[in-house]
Amino acid sequence: GESVGLHLPTLSVQEGDNSIINCAYSNSASDYFIWYKQESGKGPQFIIDIRSNMDKRQGQRVTVLLNKTVKHLSLQIAATQPGDSAVYFCDFNQGGKLIFGQGTELSVKP
Amino acid sequence: EAGVTQFPSHSVIEKGQTVTLRCDPISGHDNLYWYRRVMGKEIKFLLHFVKESKQDESGMPNNRFLAERTGGTYSTLKVQPAELEDSGVYFCASSQVGGQGTFGSGTRLTVV
Repeated sequence: GESVGLHLPTLSVQEGDNSIINCAYSNSASDYFIWYKQESGKGPQFIIDIRSNMDKRQGQRVTVLLNKTVKHLSLQIAATQPGDSAVYFCDFNQGGKLIFGQGTELSVKP
Repeated sequence: EAGVTQFPSHSVIEKGQTVTLRCDPISGHDNLYWYRRVMGKEIKFLLHFVKESKQDESGMPNNRFLAERTGGTYSTLKVQPAELEDSGVYFCASSQVGGQGTFGSGTRLTVV
C-alpha cells in the first residue's frame, strides 16, 4: 500500500522580511525544476522555473537558486506579503514526469 | 487559452461506492498527470499519460484505482470501491513535452 505522507515543514516570517524556502532532490538526472504555490482551495500555480544549465533565475520578487553539486534548490521571496501565505512545492522533471518535493507551508505575520 | 479543467470540484461518497473524476487538459498537451494530496501532507504522484498511453503508473496505490485517457484527450480516474483513506484532493496537470505543468483546481474527494 501507499506509505503515509509526510507532514509539511512550516516557515513563519514577518511581513516585509525575505523568505527562503529550500528543497532537496535526489536524482542527478533531473534537468528542469519548477516552484509552485498552492493556496487553499486552488491547484498549484507556477511561480518560476530553472533549467539545469543555470544556477540562478530571477522573477518579480522571487529568485530561484540551483546548486547541482549538492542537489539543492531554493526559492527566495523578497519583501514577503500576506498574499504570499501558501504551500510552496518544488517540482522536478524526472524521466519525463514531474515529481513534487515535500513542500513548505509559508505563513506571513502582519 | 483555456486551462486544465477538473470535474467535479467536490465529491462526497460513502465507503464502497464508485467515483469517477474527470480531467480536461489544455488542448495540444500530450502529457497528463494525476496527483493526490492528503490533508496537510505532500502531493504524491499517481500516474503519467503521454497521449493515450500510460507512461508511468507507479504511484497508483492499488487496483481500486483505474485511469484512462481514451483518444489522448480528457482523462478519467475511477475509484472503485472507495475506501476512507482515499479521501483527499486529486489534482490533474497537463504539459507540453519538457514544459511546466499547468494544474487544474482539483477535485476534493471525501469518503464517509
